[in-house]
Amino acid sequence: DAGITQSPRHKVTETGTPVTLRCHQTENHRYMYWYRQDPGHGLRLIHYSYGVKDTDKGEVSDGYSVSRSKTEDFLLTLESATSSQTSVYFCAISNSVNTEAFFGQGTRLTVV
Amino acid sequence: RKEVEQDPGPFNVPEGATVAFNCTYSNSASQSFFWYRQDCRKEPKLLMSVYSSGNEDGRFTAQLNRASQYISLLIRDSKLSDSATYLCVVPDPGGTASKLTFGTGTRLQVTL
Repeated sequence: DAGITQSPRHKVTETGTPVTLRCHQTENHRYMYWYRQDPGHGLRLIHYSYGVKDTDKGEVSDGYSVSRSKTEDFLLTLESATSSQTSVYFCAISNSVNTEAFFGQGTRLTVV
Repeated sequence: RKEVEQDPGPFNVPEGATVAFNCTYSNSASQSFFWYRQDCRKEPKLLMSVYSSGNEDGRFTAQLNRASQYISLLIRDSKLSDSATYLCVVPDPGGTASKLTFGTGTRLQVTL
């Protein structure tokens, strides 16, 4: 299995609090992605990174920010969590444009 | 038109049956395609890659039709363990940056 870990794996937080999810890889892959998965919507891209300090928005980026200060870590921050951000969050990595991506085990976030 | 579209199913088939899923994509510049399998409450995992006209791996066959912009996944001799959601993935070859776009997935239930 690809060396990719997400932390925490589960989190319950209150509305309005900041939350940071971490994705750590040991594969030295260039691309890293954050997705959320909700029933009826499949996997939707939040943000992605194509290198250190190089990030771009996905289709559902509102309310989220990311940072990538080193190759192995990609952080997703919810500045002020809302109930609509209750979801399962997956991080993924890939080595190039046309190769497969590998996923972390996911983080279940509940905002109450 | 959505970037990647799949029939959500569910497809309910008996063990031993042959079943096929289709996935249509909108970006004619896409060069590679992937089928992922996702079990309930787990991360997606790569099932097959498609870089040219098709790919075959045991009971699984993926075919690409560039003219009509769709890829298909054929599963022969279905097993109970094939029950899962199958995700079609199309990379967007956007220069130096890239992102993966997922279909919403097709759910397969194989029954006795």
